[in-house]
Amino acid sequence: NAGVTQTPKFQVLKTGQSMTLQCAQDMNHEYMSWYRQDPGMGLRLIHYSVGAGITDQGEVPNGYNVSRSTTEDFPLRLLSAAPSQTSVYFCASSRPGYEQYFGPGTRLTVT
Amino acid sequence: GENVEQHPSTLSVQEGDSAVIKCTYSDSASNYFPWYKQELGKRPQLIIDIRSNVGEKKDQRIAVTLNKTAKHFSLHITETQPEDSAVYFCAASTSGNTPLVFGKGTRLSVIA
Repeated sequence: NAGVTQTPKFQVLKTGQSMTLQCAQDMNHEYMSWYRQDPGMGLRLIHYSVGAGITDQGEVPNGYNVSRSTTEDFPLRLLSAAPSQTSVYFCASSRPGYEQYFGPGTRLTVT
Repeated sequence: GENVEQHPSTLSVQEGDSAVIKCTYSDSASNYFPWYKQELGKRPQLIIDIRSNVGEKKDQRIAVTLNKTAKHFSLHITETQPEDSAVYFCAASTSGNTPLVFGKGTRLSVIA
């Protein structure tokens, strides 16, 4: 099993550009989520999904869109990048109420 | 919604001493409490978890205790070693389709 994979590992964007962070898991987990991690701020939930076709907002959803067309994939779209979105982004998956497995992260810089 | 507070934000201990990190939660319906360790530049990884029907759980040098009445839970690391140096996160959720809510983390430094 590859577990949770994320691409790209690093990305530099200019303000106003859009892009999609990819996340995939091969553990048949219903639950997937996206977090951003900033120094001293811990892991803040952006969006999550409890199954294909179902998504919901987390603590910091503004500026991000998600969709869940399959169990395996949960992409995160930045609509118009801003310097405040410079962060490390982690995708995670789990069975509901069980250990959450994290991907390796994407380090995003917006200039 | 759930709110998780974690203390202290930084902790330094001498090698061989014990370290304790404490968390409080607000939602009495929460019943799953994991702890994650994140080494520098790496992803968070689960080190131990506890459910609300258990008061204490141990795994070698690591233990977690839960006080449901007071709504707090703690991580205890005994005989600390330099490789225990990392950021530790507590979290809480219900067993259903609700997301994990994380504390802000504790940076533990073990001084040799």
